[in-house]
Amino acid sequence: SQKIEQNSEALNIQEGKTATLTCNYTNYSPAYLQWYRQDPGRGPVFLLLIRENEKEKRKERLKVTFDTTLKQSLFHITASQPADSATYLCALEKTGSARQLTFGSGTQLTVLP
Amino acid sequence: DSGVTQTPKHLITATGQRVTLRCSPRSGDLSVYWYQQSLDQGLQFLIQYYNGEERAKGNILERFSAQQFPDLHSELNLSSLELGDSALYFCASSVASAGVGTEAFFGQGTRLTVV
Repeated sequence: SQKIEQNSEALNIQEGKTATLTCNYTNYSPAYLQWYRQDPGRGPVFLLLIRENEKEKRKERLKVTFDTTLKQSLFHITASQPADSATYLCALEKTGSARQLTFGSGTQLTVLP
Repeated sequence: DSGVTQTPKHLITATGQRVTLRCSPRSGDLSVYWYQQSLDQGLQFLIQYYNGEERAKGNILERFSAQQFPDLHSELNLSSLELGDSALYFCASSVASAGVGTEAFFGQGTRLTVV
């Protein structure tokens, strides 16, 4: 069955370090992969989108990689700040007749001051 | 503010009842998605509409139904409610349908509590 897995439910890092979050998927051939941020009790907020033919995408302190051979995406936050503490979700878009946007369960990131 | 409006914000109802959740998408967005988020689960995709037509269906229970109206707002109807239906229900919208590389904008959610 199709599955999206994000590394450990919770990740704690020290302020100023780089946080690396992992998204692995099985039995999918997504055309696009997205990352969202979700704060408690609020709706997810879009961060970055990467296409299957792109290896890497950057936006300010954020970097996303997409390896369709490994079926994995890595999400990096450099120079992390306590304000980056949130749950980060990866989402896959399928094309074709079963188009939908499917989310992983998320990784809760805490940046310690 | 994402531009997606969901009402009501909170809803408390008894088991066996029926409720309707409403979503107004961002201006210009044709796609509407509904998701359910329980405490112990991630965002579960329920259903997607594009310009009034059902486009994709996820693990939506038969007791649940949805529709998108000509003015593009959408309603999610939940009937014969059970305790396990208590969750946050999110609506999201996007310009195009999923599958073409389009970001989704989420509302603030409706917190449903079934007692």
